[in-house]
Amino acid sequence: DTGVSQDPRHKITKRGQNVTFRCDPISEHNRLYWYRQTLGQGPEFLTYFQNEAQLEKSRLLSDRFSAERPKGSFSTLEIQRTEQGDSAMYLCASSDLLSGNTIYFGEGSWLTVV
Amino acid sequence: AQSVTQPDIHITVSEGASLELRCNYSYGATPYLFWYVQSPGQGLQLLLKYFSGDTLVQGIKGFEAEFKRSQSSFNLRKPSVHWSDAAEYFCAVGAQSGYSTLTFGKGTMLLVSP
Repeated sequence: DTGVSQDPRHKITKRGQNVTFRCDPISEHNRLYWYRQTLGQGPEFLTYFQNEAQLEKSRLLSDRFSAERPKGSFSTLEIQRTEQGDSAMYLCASSDLLSGNTIYFGEGSWLTVV
Repeated sequence: AQSVTQPDIHITVSEGASLELRCNYSYGATPYLFWYVQSPGQGLQLLLKYFSGDTLVQGIKGFEAEFKRSQSSFNLRKPSVHWSDAAEYFCAVGAQSGYSTLTFGKGTMLLVSP
């Protein structure tokens, strides 16, 4: 078990460009979460998947953000037309029934929009 | 709505001294409670969790936390701090039913002085 894996770890992009982050959860975990963390703040919930179904989206997830989990395994988070305010760490996490409600986080993907 | 308050933004402790990080939560039912630790630029590592039962829970790295329902608190303690404990600590609350999206506090930065 290699834990939750995220790629890329760091991304610098120009304002207006699109970016995509990938998350590979812990094997067999059917629940996957995306969180966003800005400097000096705790992580904030963005969206949740159970298997391939996106069951909850935070109001923080604007129309420029889209997340998918097409086969119920890995997930992608795409940000279109990036803005400077999107600069943050994007954290992926996973859990399953066996782990109860214990959520395990990845190392995060840092986004800097210049 | 659930919320978490970590009243101390920064705490400085001498190496070898005891530590207590405060966490107060607001939640309408019996919560799941967690402490995570984050080193600079890294993801979150789970230290310990409270689901039910014994209100004093033990975690990794010698940390423990005590759930006090009457005070809506879940304070983190360690009897003797090591320099490697310097990091940011986050308290989080989640629901006991169904899946759980966590609400985090803003974190407490622990500095360890020689």
